[in-house]
Amino acid sequence: QQPVQSPQAVILREGEDAVINCSSSKALYSVHWYRQKHGEAPVFLMILLKGGEQKGHEKISASFNEKKQQSSLYLTASQLSYSGTYFCGPLDQGAQKLVFGQGTRLTINP
Amino acid sequence: DTAVSQTPKYLVTQMGNDKSIKCEQNLGHDTMYWYKQDSKKFLKIMFSYNNKELIINETVPNRFSPKSPDKAHLNLHINSLELGDSAVYFCASSQGRPGILGGYTFGSGTRLTVV
Repeated sequence: QQPVQSPQAVILREGEDAVINCSSSKALYSVHWYRQKHGEAPVFLMILLKGGEQKGHEKISASFNEKKQQSSLYLTASQLSYSGTYFCGPLDQGAQKLVFGQGTRLTINP
Repeated sequence: DTAVSQTPKYLVTQMGNDKSIKCEQNLGHDTMYWYKQDSKKFLKIMFSYNNKELIINETVPNRFSPKSPDKAHLNLHINSLELGDSAVYFCASSQGRPGILGGYTFGSGTRLTVV
């Protein structure tokens, strides 16, 4: 079953912050996050493996709450280069595959 | 040196034709995938191979047939192409299944247009 991401789209000015949420109907083991720029392939950002784990990548960080079956991606002081579509890919314990959310389109304006 | 390379990058063909997309990875990963991305950006898994063994075969028309001659290559052959097959097809690889040891590395994609 496909995870649900929110919001579906967000428009920010450079320097503003954003939060993207990902919810699953299944008990989770880990969560992947990817960013895809227009016309390009998705690029791996990070994987969170433990409940409550937070990870950072430049000014992009994420949290994972396995009890709530959700993860959030935080973009701080956004830069123009952060524009793109963000996908989460939660994994349950016996999963053989990543099922991606529908994506959140992030637009950063100068 | 490209980590996951797909060919061709663009493919325009008529309905009813048969076409193939090739994928190669030089990362030493043991698992490879085919994903389809439609016009709404939805990324849907189609197939997965682990060390040449098919481990995921989603509900995909049997006109689509993957083949993995070795763990570095995964090809996709499509018979009797239909208009609805138009999409971007991404190949990806990971170490371990399903990428618990790390993320997926995607190829640059093949944009298939059926006319």
